Amino acid sequence: GQQVMQIPQYQHVQEGEDFTTYCNSSTTLSNIQWYKQRPGGHPVFLIQLVKSGEVKKQKRLTFQFGEAKKNSSLHITATQTTDVGTYFCAGDTGRRALTFGSGTRLQVQP
Amino acid sequence: DAGVIQSPRHEVTEMGQEVTLRCKPISGHNSLFWYRQTMMRGLELLIYFNNNVPIDDSGMPEDRFSAKMPNASFSTLKIQPSEPRDSAVYFCASSIDRGRAYGYTFGSGTRLTVV
Repeated sequence: GQQVMQIPQYQHVQEGEDFTTYCNSSTTLSNIQWYKQRPGGHPVFLIQLVKSGEVKKQKRLTFQFGEAKKNSSLHITATQTTDVGTYFCAGDTGRRALTFGSGTRLQVQP
Repeated sequence: DAGVIQSPRHEVTEMGQEVTLRCKPISGHNSLFWYRQTMMRGLELLIYFNNNVPIDDSGMPEDRFSAKMPNASFSTLKIQPSEPRDSAVYFCASSIDRGRAYGYTFGSGTRLTVV
């Protein structure tokens, strides 16, 4: 079955440093979505990427979708303590519900 | 809108007991999903419904699990009999058009502990 892998599993940064998480799918995706889950909370939808090579920005967050539509990345510039949480990518093949990656837990040291 | 509403928020039960988790999706959303989250296995899809019809239940662990969606505003996930390995956070999510435009909206989850 489809698998979605994310690296790293965990990252601890100093406030103001940048952060990147990478997502790889075993199959070609029709789209990829990103979610954020705060500690003790539930996943919250951030964004969807559909086109090959697409890049989208939300303030300090930059999302990319690979040319082959099998990988994606999320980059946060100048992290803040409010960025703490687990970031999940979720792949859509168009045939099933979203398959979530294993997530990257981000800890930001003030 | 109140969002996706799940109940109960927490459930502690003894092994062998029946557990029923409830979900009210966002009005107008036609897709509903049940996910289970554990440290070991992450977020796993259990079942999803589209227009109240189960489309994919391949993630349901075994016959002890069952899910229903009798109408567009209510769904249940039942575990009978429950086992300690069922301990997890169970999320319900809903979306328009299988989430292909606006993503999934998750409820706050039910934290289930089976002792």
